[in-house]
Amino acid sequence: DTGVSQNPRHKITKRGQNVTFRCDPISEHNRLYWYRQTLGQGPEFLTYFQNEAQLEKSRLLSDRFSAERPKGSFSTLEIQRTEQGDSAMYLCASSRAGLDYGYTFGSGTRLTVV
Amino acid sequence: GQNIDQPTEMTATEGAIVQINCTYQTSGFNGLFWYQQHAGEAPTFLSYNVLDGLEEKGRFSSFLSRSKGYSYLLLKELQMKDSASYLCAAMDSNYQLIWGAGTKLIIKP
Repeated sequence: DTGVSQNPRHKITKRGQNVTFRCDPISEHNRLYWYRQTLGQGPEFLTYFQNEAQLEKSRLLSDRFSAERPKGSFSTLEIQRTEQGDSAMYLCASSRAGLDYGYTFGSGTRLTVV
Repeated sequence: GQNIDQPTEMTATEGAIVQINCTYQTSGFNGLFWYQQHAGEAPTFLSYNVLDGLEEKGRFSSFLSRSKGYSYLLLKELQMKDSASYLCAAMDSNYQLIWGAGTKLIIKP
């Protein structure tokens, strides 16, 4: 078990471009979460999956953001037409559903929109 | 609504003890977590409390009072490497974590 893996670690993109991030969770974890975090703030919930089903999506998430988890294993988060306000750390975490365990986080993808 | 409150920043001296407080309000409750986050890195799990009382784990201890919606993280024998942000998070009835903004702990020699 290598933990939660996120790629890339860093991404610099021009405003208006699309970006896609990948998350590989711990294999036996069936829940997968995406968070966004800016400096000095706690993680902000974006969306989560149980297996391949996307069960909840933050109301703050615009339609430029989309996430998939096609086979209930890895997940991708895509941001279309990036804006400077999208610059943040994007964190993925996984957990077992229904058990009182915390989440295991990946190292995150730091996005800078210039 | 759901809310987590914790101080924004605290300063302590190397070798000393510091207590970081957290109050929470959630829809249902399935436990209180503390995470440590160094600058530019992902949060790492420190502790979990679901019953009232104190859980001790080495230099770190965590306390929970469910009736008061209150928790604290106690760090003893502070080391410079303990300089980090400490995030309080409460798990609601849907097993989702509600996060505080974090407490930045500065350790001085």
